[in-house]
Amino acid sequence: DAGITQSPRHKVTETGTPVTLRCHQTENHRYMYWYRQDPGHGLRLIHYSYGVKDTDKGEVSDGYSVSRSKTEDFLLTLESATSSQTSVYFCAISDRDLGVYEQYFGPGTRLTVT
Amino acid sequence: SQQGEEDPQALSIQEGENATMNCSYKTSINNLQWYRQNSGRGLVHLILIRSNEREKHSGRLRVTLDTSKKSSSLLITASRAADTASYFCATDRGGGATNKLIFGTGTLLAVQP
Repeated sequence: DAGITQSPRHKVTETGTPVTLRCHQTENHRYMYWYRQDPGHGLRLIHYSYGVKDTDKGEVSDGYSVSRSKTEDFLLTLESATSSQTSVYFCAISDRDLGVYEQYFGPGTRLTVT
Repeated sequence: SQQGEEDPQALSIQEGENATMNCSYKTSINNLQWYRQNSGRGLVHLILIRSNEREKHSGRLRVTLDTSKKSSSLLITASRAADTASYFCATDRGGGATNKLIFGTGTLLAVQP
């Protein structure tokens, strides 16, 4: 998986609790992305980062925040988890500055909010 | 909103047959990419075709792009059981420096041995 890990791989949490998912890369790519995948919706972009401390919203950012304090780590936080955030979350990386226009994906985190 | 829409949503073929999947999109693009996802795994990049290209090959994969019709097709020749997966198109509209992709909803391909 191109030097990308996600943790945890599976998590069950209760409604209203905060949850943080971690994406770690060893490729030194500049761009990192968080997606969620739900049946019938494909992948939808939550947030992305174009450098350390540089982040922006995607199409489904409500209820999520991100942080990137180091090139290799991109954290996704669900501030107060809701059942609608039950999903599979994928992290991806790319670096067009290096001519890498395709994205490389991590293995995913399956999150269940009860 | 989804940029790409794949067609068909599901496809079942016999091993050795060819599989064709189509993707339509709505706005102008810089490039279009195809990805494969095996059940329970992350997406894997297959092939990228730029907006000024009409056809591209990679092994048993052939991708075409028609920017006038805003559509692309992915052909897998001589399919194998191991090709069973979901296939997604993704469009890169370019502009800025964010390298964002917009994914379609995917085609589920089942190759029967």
